Amino acid sequence: AQRVTQPEKLLSVFKGAPVELKCNYSYSGSPELFWYVQYSRQRLQLLLRHISRESIKGFTADLNKGETSFHLKKPFAQEEDSAMYYCALRATGGSYIPTFGRGTSLIVHP
Amino acid sequence: DVKVTQSSRYLVKRTGEKVFLECVQDMDHENMFWYRQDPGLGLRLIYFSYDVKMKEKGDIPEGYSVSREKKERFSLILESASTNQTSMYLCASTRSYTEAFFGQGTRLTVV
Repeated sequence: AQRVTQPEKLLSVFKGAPVELKCNYSYSGSPELFWYVQYSRQRLQLLLRHISRESIKGFTADLNKGETSFHLKKPFAQEEDSAMYYCALRATGGSYIPTFGRGTSLIVHP
Repeated sequence: DVKVTQSSRYLVKRTGEKVFLECVQDMDHENMFWYRQDPGLGLRLIYFSYDVKMKEKGDIPEGYSVSREKKERFSLILESASTNQTSMYLCASTRSYTEAFFGQGTRLTVV
């Protein structure tokens, strides 16, 4: 079975502060990991995926297989980063069903 | 611009009513999903479909059914709506090995 854990329901920071949204996963095989974001009154959309190794809107995430983690980081938070963030896992090699964590609400104060 | 469109943004239904939530995608994706989104519980998979007329139960299928008669359309049916089905419902589609594309969501209130 595959599982995604986001330990923080809410993360509150001030503008300019570093941000780290935690994600841990449980899966016996080789997973594909994603971060999705939902801004207020917008649809859920992909932020980044581990295989692309990109930085999107200043966010990065590194897959750590030893710690089974895929934490999302940004060195300097902006007010427009305030949103709901979901970590998701999809098993490679057959299963295409994404499993989501419970989400972390990020609030960036001015 | 890829699109997943859900037929209603807001719905209010009475207890016991049969409710249909419709989802259409224009990307020729094989896989379609229905999730339920609740605060603190994240996205929970209700049903998914990997082909026309094919369907599989997700984690919380009780009280729901689905229909996929055409590749682009995936319907979620609440056979007899109950108040505990008040929620945000999200439709998504993917091609195998792509990310999921989501609809704008349907907020259903059952009174």
